Amino acid sequence: AQSVAQPEDQVNVAEGNPLTVKCTYSVSGNPYLFWYVQYPNRGLQFLLKYITGDNLVKGSYGFEAEFNKSQTSFHLKKPSALVSDSALYFCAVRAAGDYKLSFGAGTTVTVRA
Amino acid sequence: EAGVVQSPRYKIIEKKQPVAFWCNPISGHNTLYWYLQNLGQGPELLIRYENEEAVDDSQLPKDRFSAERLKGVDSTLKIQPAELGDSAVYLCASSPRGLGPEQFFGPGTRLTVL
Repeated sequence: AQSVAQPEDQVNVAEGNPLTVKCTYSVSGNPYLFWYVQYPNRGLQFLLKYITGDNLVKGSYGFEAEFNKSQTSFHLKKPSALVSDSALYFCAVRAAGDYKLSFGAGTTVTVRA
Repeated sequence: EAGVVQSPRYKIIEKKQPVAFWCNPISGHNTLYWYLQNLGQGPELLIRYENEEAVDDSQLPKDRFSAERLKGVDSTLKIQPAELGDSAVYLCASSPRGLGPEQFFGPGTRLTVL
């Protein structure tokens, strides 16, 4: 069975500081990894994905994520956080060749001015 | 490009009543998903359609939940009768054909069962 762990329920950072949201996964075979962001009363918005290739993936709004196969991790990062980055972030995984997408429980990010 | 459209956005009903949710996917997306999102949790897949065929409904509680995707475009998810524990957000998503693309989500329908 595949699964995603987001070990931090909440992450608090000051505006301008780097932001990291952690994600580890478990899946059979090669993983396809995704990050989504959810603002209040909104659906999930796609940020970035890793399918294959370069381990460092760049996405929307200045976010990036690094795929680490040996540590089965896909941490989301942003060098300089903005107050507008405050939201709920979900990591998701599916196995290559399968459609089933499994989500983590989410991490609430709060960026203070 | 228009996104995934869902209606209604909010629904409040009493237990044992029926309820239906509607989804219009992004034009050209063959694959449509319905997810359940409980408070404080990530979405969980209920059913996946490829065109008009439900290819994965293993997580759909078939005693009270049903879904259809007539003509392979719009989809409706129904609950009859609703229970208190069904209070949640119901998300619809779509994706183009293939295994690589990401899924695009609608805004969801927040259901409250009293």
